[in-house]
Amino acid sequence: EVQLVEFGGGFVQPGGSLRLSCAASGFTFSRFWMTWVRQAPGKGLEWVATIKEDGSDKYYVDSVKGRFTISRDNAKNSLYLQMNSLRVEDTAVYYCARESGYEDYWGQGTLVTVSS
Amino acid sequence: DIQMTQSPSSLSASVGDRVTITCQTSQDISNYLNWYQQKPGHAPKLLIFDASNLDTGVPSRFSGSGSGTLFTFTINSLQPEDIATYYCQRYDNLPPWPFGQGTKVEIK
Repeated sequence: EVQLVEFGGGFVQPGGSLRLSCAASGFTFSRFWMTWVRQAPGKGLEWVATIKEDGSDKYYVDSVKGRFTISRDNAKNSLYLQMNSLRVEDTAVYYCARESGYEDYWGQGTLVTVSS
Repeated sequence: DIQMTQSPSSLSASVGDRVTITCQTSQDISNYLNWYQQKPGHAPKLLIFDASNLDTGVPSRFSGSGSGTLFTFTINSLQPEDIATYYCQRYDNLPPWPFGQGTKVEIK
């Protein structure tokens, strides 16, 4: 059974940093692109970042470029999102998702709250 | 960047009604469009990929059509369990892969 479990969310002040992790199981992690999607409270879905299966290419939404870094460790079946210079508007539930031409499996999400 | 316009933002319909949601893109994206369902407090769930292909296990009352710049998502006979927000998503060769604004479906 495919499972994605995010953790690492929490409360942080503006300008702070946080690292999210996503533990994958039930599939060959190293064969799939992976993505982070976020959802601000009461708002819609926003694609944030995607990484190729071998980590060779990474893609970001403009609003996080230069502040967020997506990475992965295929030996540990894990996906990461390093978030620096956090802003109030980054407050959201962050989901990791597996890519198969679409996001076919999602984690349950982890909440990041940026507030002073 | 390609712009996504999803409408309506919300709708209210009766059980058994046919519900239609549209998604328009600013450029031709062929059939590279997905539809997701999100129930409150839950992660999104893929319903349709490549504009018209139902994901495994998705009830046949859901359908999608369109290509190019205009796409349609339909629920043929609305059921109480279909109460959710629905999102389209552009998905072609390389990211970014933006979502539409979402359509909240409620029962009248």
